[in-house]
Amino acid sequence: AQSVTQPDIHITVSEGASLELRCNYSYGATPYLFWYVQSPGQGLQLLLKYFSGDTLVQGIKGFEAEFKRSQSSFNLRKPSVHWSDAAEYFCAVGAEYGNKLVFGAGTILRVKS
Amino acid sequence: DVKVTQSSRYLVKRTGEKVFLECVQDMDHENMFWYRQDPGLGLRLIYFSYDVKMKEKGDIPEGYSVSREKKERFSLILESASTNQTSMYLCASSLVGRGLEQFFGPGTRLTVL
Repeated sequence: AQSVTQPDIHITVSEGASLELRCNYSYGATPYLFWYVQSPGQGLQLLLKYFSGDTLVQGIKGFEAEFKRSQSSFNLRKPSVHWSDAAEYFCAVGAEYGNKLVFGAGTILRVKS
Repeated sequence: DVKVTQSSRYLVKRTGEKVFLECVQDMDHENMFWYRQDPGLGLRLIYFSYDVKMKEKGDIPEGYSVSREKKERFSLILESASTNQTSMYLCASSLVGRGLEQFFGPGTRLTVL
């Protein structure tokens, strides 16, 4: 069965600092991986996705993520965080040709000025 | 632009009431999903539908049912609401063949008293 672990429940970073949110997955075959962001009171917005090919994927809002098969990880990064990035971030995994996403518990990002 | 709408942002109901949560998408998507979001648990799939009148149980279907009479509309029904169903409910949709690329609505925060 698929599972996703986001080890950090809360992270606080200073505005302008770099960010890395961790995601580890468990899945026997080739995973399809996603990062979503949820701003307060909003639904989920897709930041980026990995299906195959280049293991470094670029997303919206200046985010990127790197797929590392050997570590079963798909960590999200941003070089310089803005106050508007404060939100909850979810990593998710799915199977090729599947419909079901399995989500991690989420990481709440706080940005201090 | 992709649009998934949910009938209510906030809903307060009493224990034992029958509750309907409505979701409408305007993207002609075949797949529609209902998730429940709880702090520390991420999103968990309740039901999904891959066509009109077709449905499949997700990971936590107990206490819920669904209805899909039209392609654009997917309803979640709580037959007899209980306090442990107090939660955020998120609807999503996707195209067949791209089932994992899901577009989310803004969510309905349901409180059962």
